Amino acid sequence: TQLLEQSPQFLSIQEGENLTVYCNSSSVFSSLQWYRQEPGEGPVLLVTVVTGGEVKKLKRLTFQFGDARKDSSLHITAAQPGDTGLYLCAGAGGNTGKLIFGQGTTLQVKP
Amino acid sequence: KAGVTQTPRYLIKTRGQQVTLSCSPISGHRSVSWYQQTPGQGLQFLFEYFSETQRNKGNFPGRFSGRQFSNSRSEMNVSTLELGDSALYLCASSPPSYEQYFGPGTRLTVT
Repeated sequence: TQLLEQSPQFLSIQEGENLTVYCNSSSVFSSLQWYRQEPGEGPVLLVTVVTGGEVKKLKRLTFQFGDARKDSSLHITAAQPGDTGLYLCAGAGGNTGKLIFGQGTTLQVKP
Repeated sequence: KAGVTQTPRYLIKTRGQQVTLSCSPISGHRSVSWYQQTPGQGLQFLFEYFSETQRNKGNFPGRFSGRQFSNSRSEMNVSTLELGDSALYLCASSPPSYEQYFGPGTRLTVT
């Protein structure tokens, strides 16, 4: 069974702090996606990484795909209250043909 | 382009009833997936439809079913509702890739 484990599950920080969320698996994925979900809404795709070692930046968010394409990280610099939400990673291209979602990281950024 | 729409947004049903949820994908997207999201289990894959055919299925009982129409709109049905079916049901459409574009979800409460 393919699994994606996210850590930490919960994170509560002050505005201006930096943080990193991790997404790990023992399986290799052809690509990995990150989503953010706000309360009462569906997840919104932030980025897709496809190449081992790839780094993508989206303003204050930096996404990295592991060299072996088994793990990924999301780093947020100088977090703001607007970054509050549930962050989900999802791996694609495994042997099930399905998109595998991690359990999510709930981030709260306090002003 | 208009985003994914789901109707209704909120629904309250009693145990034993059945319910039908509707999803209209982004124009041009032929793949529609359904997910169940609960605080305890996270985001769980129900099924995927592509060109009116079920292409993938998650580990849910037969009470959960779906279909897709020729215009790519999709419906999912849950029969003989149980209290544990209370959840946010998300529909996502995708282009020819694994990237998911989610709707706002239908919040189902079973009493």
